[in-house]
Order: sequence, then structure tokens, then C-alpha cells
Amino acid sequence: QVQLQESGPGLVKPSETLSLTCTVSGGSITSYYWSWIRQPAGKGLDFIGRIYTGGSANYNPSLKSRVTMSVDTSKNQFSLKLNSVTAADTAMYYCATYSSATGGFDPWGQGTLVTVSS
Amino acid sequence: DIQMTQSPSSVSASVGDRVTITCRASQGISNWLAWYQQKPGKAPKLLIYAASSLQSGVPSRFSGSGSGTDFTLTISSLQPEDFATYYCQQANSFPLIFGGGTKVEI
Repeated sequence: QVQLQESGPGLVKPSETLSLTCTVSGGSITSYYWSWIRQPAGKGLDFIGRIYTGGSANYNPSLKSRVTMSVDTSKNQFSLKLNSVTAADTAMYYCATYSSATGGFDPWGQGTLVTVSS
Repeated sequence: DIQMTQSPSSVSASVGDRVTITCRASQGISNWLAWYQQKPGKAPKLLIYAASSLQSGVPSRFSGSGSGTDFTLTISSLQPEDFATYYCQQANSFPLIFGGGTKVEI
């Protein structure tokens, strides 16, 4: 059973780059789309983007200019970088598997809280 | 972008009640719709995909219906563990968009 675990700094300064990694266990990363979704406290879910194992990525246009995703198949990990962060980027960040067959995200990581503050 | 509108934003219900949540897409999405349940402090959990297909392991009291622009999630007999926030998500076109959520409260 595939499990996902996010890791990365919980505090990032304004204007700097947020960097998170998601480690996939219990299965191979060499299939499916690997995605990032965030949720500001008390608010709804925002899709950030997805990346396929081969490296092709699709980003939400609202964040496209600041987002980069990558996959490291040797480590069974995929990563998110979001640059020029502001307080508005403070949120719980989730990694998840996206299935193009079902159109749904499953499973999800437990999430990691990232706060943007000086 | 396709916009997803859920209603109501919150609903008060009792154990045993039948609860229906609605999700409307701003344009047709065929049956490319998923439903999630999120409990406080937890990641969302996929309940329904393709508008009406039950994800493995999800109790049969959950059901989904609809096609095109209008969709519903029904909980046939609300259980204590069902008090949570529910989200719909369209998968017809990019970017993938979630609805605003419906909180099911006691």
C-alpha cells in the first residue's frame, strides 16, 4: 500500500523559496501523477500542480510563475519549490497521488504546515 | 477555469439523518467529479470518483450521483464518524479545482 510523507522546513521567510519533499513508500514512483495541494488554515483546498514520472508537469496558472516540481526516481521522492513566498503562502501542504483513470487524489500524505514569516 | 460551487456551506444533522450535499460546476464536466471527506487535523480522504463510483473501503451509506454540471453526495444514515467537511473536485479539465466545502455538524 502506497504511503506518502511530506518533509521540509516549517518556517520560511518572505521572498524566499519554499522547498518540500514527498517520499513515496510501499510502491514505485514510476507511474501516476504526483501532486501538491495546499490548504490555508480554516479554508478550502487549492491544487498547486502535478508531475508525471517522466518529468512533464502541469501547474495551476495562479501559481505557475513561482512553482517548480521535480521527481527523483532513485529516491522515490518528488519535490515542490515555490519561490518569492508571502504570508499568503502560509498553509498546510499535502502531497498526493493523482490517478488520471479516476480523476481523484488518493492516497494523501499527512500534510506539513509551512508558515511564511520573518 | 471551471468553478465548483458547493451548497450548503454547512449543515446541522443528527445521527441517522439522511444528508445531501450539492456541487455545481460552472460548465459541463461529464462525470469527472470526486468527493472527499476531511476531518479536523487530517488529510482529505477520497470517497467517490467518477461521480458515482465508491472508493474501495468506503461504507455503502455514501453515494454520489449526477453528470454534466450538477452533482450530489448523499449519506443515507449519518454516523458519528461522518461529522466532517466534504469537498467536491472536478477532474474534467486543468486546473483541477475543489469546491469550497460543506461542513456537516451535529
